[in-house]
Amino acid sequence: AQSVTQPDIHITVSEGASLELRCNYSYGATPYLFWYVQSPGQGLQLLLKYFSGDTLVQGIKGFEAEFKRSQSSFNLRKPSVHWSDAAEYFCAVGALFSGGYNKLIFGAGTRLAVHP
Amino acid sequence: DTAVSQTPKYLVTQMGNDKSIKCEQNLGHDTMYWYKQDSKKFLKIMFSYNNKELIINETVPNRFSPKSPDKAHLNLHINSLELGDSAVYFCASSQGGQGRRNTEAFFGQGTRLTVV
Repeated sequence: AQSVTQPDIHITVSEGASLELRCNYSYGATPYLFWYVQSPGQGLQLLLKYFSGDTLVQGIKGFEAEFKRSQSSFNLRKPSVHWSDAAEYFCAVGALFSGGYNKLIFGAGTRLAVHP
Repeated sequence: DTAVSQTPKYLVTQMGNDKSIKCEQNLGHDTMYWYKQDSKKFLKIMFSYNNKELIINETVPNRFSPKSPDKAHLNLHINSLELGDSAVYFCASSQGGQGRRNTEAFFGQGTRLTVV
């Protein structure tokens, strides 16, 4: 079955510390992977995406993610967290369904809190 | 310029009422979606339209009826609202024709529906 798992529901880091948010996916074909961020009361903004090629992808706001096929993972990282990074982070996989159309399957999200 | 806009942002209504949420995108995309985010922040697709044609209906109660008058608009009408309908509803769009999983979705700001 197609699914995305984000093992950490809630993570707290200190400002300036490094960050890694975990994402594991289950998908039968080549995965197309996304990380979105949702700030409080806001919609979802795309941070980065992986379709093919270099397994380390760079995104906005200093985020990067590494695709590891052998581990079915697409973890999000940031070397130094800022207080404004406090938000909910969602990993998603682009999935095909009947008719060949696509949809996003999301993980449950990880809430990031940042201590000053 | 807002790419995907939804109205209203907040909606508080009594059980049994009928309400609508409107969505418009100015990105020229051919595919639009409604996602529901529950109280635990879990995001799940409800509907998708491609070129005004319904292509996804994810076992949503038939009290929910989407309507797409044109490619740029996708509205959601909900009849006989129930307490369990309380959630944040997100509209999204993508250039997601057949076979294209490698396409990101752009999300609106969300509509927080509270049924009392």
